[in-house]
Amino acid sequence: DMKVTQMPRYLIKRMGENVLLECGQDMSHETMYWYRQDPGLGLQLIYISYDVDSNSEGDIPKGYRVSRKKREHFSLILDSAKTNQTSVYFCASSSNRGRDTQYFGPGTRLLVL
Amino acid sequence: GDQVEQSPSALSLHEGTDSALRCNFTTTMRSVQWFRQNSRGSLISLFYLASGTKENGRLKSAFDSKERRYSTLHIRDAQLEDSGTYFCAAEAGGNNKLTFGQGTVLSVIP
Repeated sequence: DMKVTQMPRYLIKRMGENVLLECGQDMSHETMYWYRQDPGLGLQLIYISYDVDSNSEGDIPKGYRVSRKKREHFSLILDSAKTNQTSVYFCASSSNRGRDTQYFGPGTRLLVL
Repeated sequence: GDQVEQSPSALSLHEGTDSALRCNFTTTMRSVQWFRQNSRGSLISLFYLASGTKENGRLKSAFDSKERRYSTLHIRDAQLEDSGTYFCAAEAGGNNKLTFGQGTVLSVIP
């Protein structure tokens, strides 16, 4: 069953706390992505990972870092969260070096107080 | 940076009617994808196109193969379950990074 999972689904943090968002996929996809979506906007790419330990900045990487130690798992880390990082975060994966459909996870709603 | 402009931003359709959504690109794109986001926030892939057209049921998408500067999504015989926000996203080439449009909010009404 092809699936992208995200944990947690909902998270409330205080400004300055660290945040860890987890993403997993069971399709052995090489490429994985982290996006954020803000009200009324499309998705903005934060980071892209082409495979284990092969990560590249997207359009809005500032304030975020990522970790990919296993092909099926991709983490997004916010060190010292800020209120403007309140958003819905989506993880996605794709095969064939990205030249294929992206499969999205259900999203994580993060509120930073 | 590369821009993806979607139109219209919102659309109301009566059941059974047809319509089209459009994405214009400010630069030549290598590929385009179309997604639908439902009321729960889930994103579903509809089409991936590197050129030409693809059809799936009542949905059909085209990507201008000549200049690669626009794409369309046609909805035929609209149904209530087609309601949602439709996004196009395009890749300029080489880096697998998608740029998303701002979406079209589609409401299908009885």
